[in-house]
Amino acid sequence: NAGVMQNPRHLVRRRGQEARLRCSPMKGHSHVYWYRQLPEEGLKFMVYLQKENIIDESGMPKERFSAEFPKEGPSILRIQQVVRGDSAAYFCASSVQIAGEGETQYFGPGTRLLVL
Amino acid sequence: AQSVTQLGSHVSVSEGALVLLRCNYSSSVPPYLFWYVQYPNQGLQLLLKYTSAATLVKGINGFEAEFKKSETSFHLTKPSAHMSDAAEYFCAVSGPASSASKIIFGSGTRLSIRP
Repeated sequence: NAGVMQNPRHLVRRRGQEARLRCSPMKGHSHVYWYRQLPEEGLKFMVYLQKENIIDESGMPKERFSAEFPKEGPSILRIQQVVRGDSAAYFCASSVQIAGEGETQYFGPGTRLLVL
Repeated sequence: AQSVTQLGSHVSVSEGALVLLRCNYSSSVPPYLFWYVQYPNQGLQLLLKYTSAATLVKGINGFEAEFKKSETSFHLTKPSAHMSDAAEYFCAVSGPASSASKIIFGSGTRLSIRP
């Protein structure tokens, strides 16, 4: 069973360009979370999605950032008109609820975005 | 609201010595508590999690953590440190325990091992 997959692993963009980050959850997992890790900091929650639905986007910046998890295909985190402050590692996690055990989130390797 | 506080951003121990990484949590609902480890330029790996089944939780790589409700603590320990334990460790909380929800991470503790 493959783990959570993210691509690309590294992404370089110039200010003003768009960044698209992809996340394929583990097989059988229906929940996807996106987190951002700034240099020398912990991870900060951005958004929680289920198939075709955004459940909680309380951590997403109001402008330029969007996320989707379509019925088919990976989850996408999209950053429009990137700025240098968007440089960070973006992690995706997927999970499934198991009766009696609750939920465990499994993390992908991350996409490291560098904005020049 | 939920939060975690990790005491000490950097801990250094000698190889073979006890490892103790401190974490205190705040939660208004029964929490899930986690410890994750992150090696340089990699993702997070789950070390262990507390789900109210037992207060002493054993994880991978010889780590364990004890949930103490009276102290609102969930400290991570390992009896004997190995060089391979050098990494960043994150304590985290989520909840309520009955539903899927976001994880709130602490700021991390960098563990260094001296030969």
